Amino acid sequence: EDQVTQSPEALRLQEGESSSLNCSYTVSGLRGLFWYRQDPGKGPEFLFTLYSAGEEKEKERLKATLTKKESFLHITAPKPEDSATYLCAVQATPYNQGGKLIFGQGTELSVKP
Amino acid sequence: DAGVTQSPTHLIKTRGQQVTLRCSPKSGHDTVSWYQQALGQGPQFIFQYYEEEERQRGNFPDRFSGHQYPNYSSELNVNALLLGDSALYLCASSPTGTGKHEQFFGPGTRLTVL
Repeated sequence: EDQVTQSPEALRLQEGESSSLNCSYTVSGLRGLFWYRQDPGKGPEFLFTLYSAGEEKEKERLKATLTKKESFLHITAPKPEDSATYLCAVQATPYNQGGKLIFGQGTELSVKP
Repeated sequence: DAGVTQSPTHLIKTRGQQVTLRCSPKSGHDTVSWYQQALGQGPQFIFQYYEEEERQRGNFPDRFSGHQYPNYSSELNVNALLLGDSALYLCASSPTGTGKHEQFFGPGTRLTVL
């Protein structure tokens, strides 16, 4: 069964304290791995897509990496405005058959000034 | 460029009632997916519509049904509401034929069943 597990469930950081979020996945065939940011009561905001092991993507203080079993979201020198829930999702079905996203439960990040 | 829009923002219903939620996709997108997100959980896939047909379905009962119109907008219908249907319902749109598979989400509809 295709499955995504994120850790930790919650992470508290001081402003400027770098850290990483983990996303472990088990899928029959990975078509793509996606990272989203979600603020309370809002819809998920797209951050990155990774397609193959070894791929990396960066955006401001965020960097996403991918291996054959997991993905990491590295946060460098975070600021309070980075506080949110970060969601990881995988797509296992060939896109022309639907391409549903399978989500993890998310990591709730809190950055204190 | 307008993103994905959903209506209504909030909705309160009682058990046994029926509800219809609406979604307009991002400009240039022709595929619409619906997800249910319970509090503290990740979104769960309900179904996806493309070319006005249900292309893929998740593990949800037949009480959940949908429709897609020629302008690509979509509706999610839920019959015989249960307390457990209380959740944030998210619509996501994506384009076909671009080689990009990311889905863009709307703000969601918060459904409360009393």
